[in-house]
Amino acid sequence: SQQGEEDPQALSIQEGENATMNCSYKTSINNLQWYRQNSGRGLVHLILIRSNEREKHSGRLRVTLDTSKKSSSLLITASRAADTASYFCATAYGNNRLAFGKGNQVVVIP
Amino acid sequence: GAVVSQHPSRVICKSGTSVKIECRSLDFQATTMFWYRQFPKQSLMLMATSNEGSKATYEQGVEKDKFLINHASLTLSTLTVTSAHPEDSSFYICSARDFRSGGSTDTQYFGPGTRLTVL
Repeated sequence: SQQGEEDPQALSIQEGENATMNCSYKTSINNLQWYRQNSGRGLVHLILIRSNEREKHSGRLRVTLDTSKKSSSLLITASRAADTASYFCATAYGNNRLAFGKGNQVVVIP
Repeated sequence: GAVVSQHPSRVICKSGTSVKIECRSLDFQATTMFWYRQFPKQSLMLMATSNEGSKATYEQGVEKDKFLINHASLTLSTLTVTSAHPEDSSFYICSARDFRSGGSTDTQYFGPGTRLTVL
């Protein structure tokens, strides 16, 4: 199976700053998705980028995809305290299954 | 929007007992649901794919007799942890795929998770 893997870093930033996190995967993909998880809760789908797309925006989120490097980045601009969460990338493989990366914990300090 | 619920949200049980967790798609039909397990500060690990009207497909290393999955309708899948032991304590999350979206690029909608603690 293929696995999305983020750089194993925890981010601690001040409110208003931008947060960037990365993800790499191993095999070819149809799409890559980013999810947010607040502590002890389920996952919330943030954005999906298809393999033929290079960049996608959704509100304060910007996702890039580089299929040649098998990597993706998620940028959160003008961070807020409510953005404090863990962020996971996921890639889809056989039968619509998702493989999740390790996740990045982001703490936004008010 | 698509909503998935789980019940219960938390459960504490004694070692040796069985625990059933329900996953429901509230406003859409889900031919396929997925069950994940998550340890503290770790990622989600896919346990099995639950298909309505057929047997679940388990990932390698997941004991099918230990984790019984039933997908009796298009809106309900259940995960039963049989003869639970302390090492089964974990956060169990389900997700559902919207039947209408089709293809391989659709989004999965996740439930809020169930915290299982086995004493």
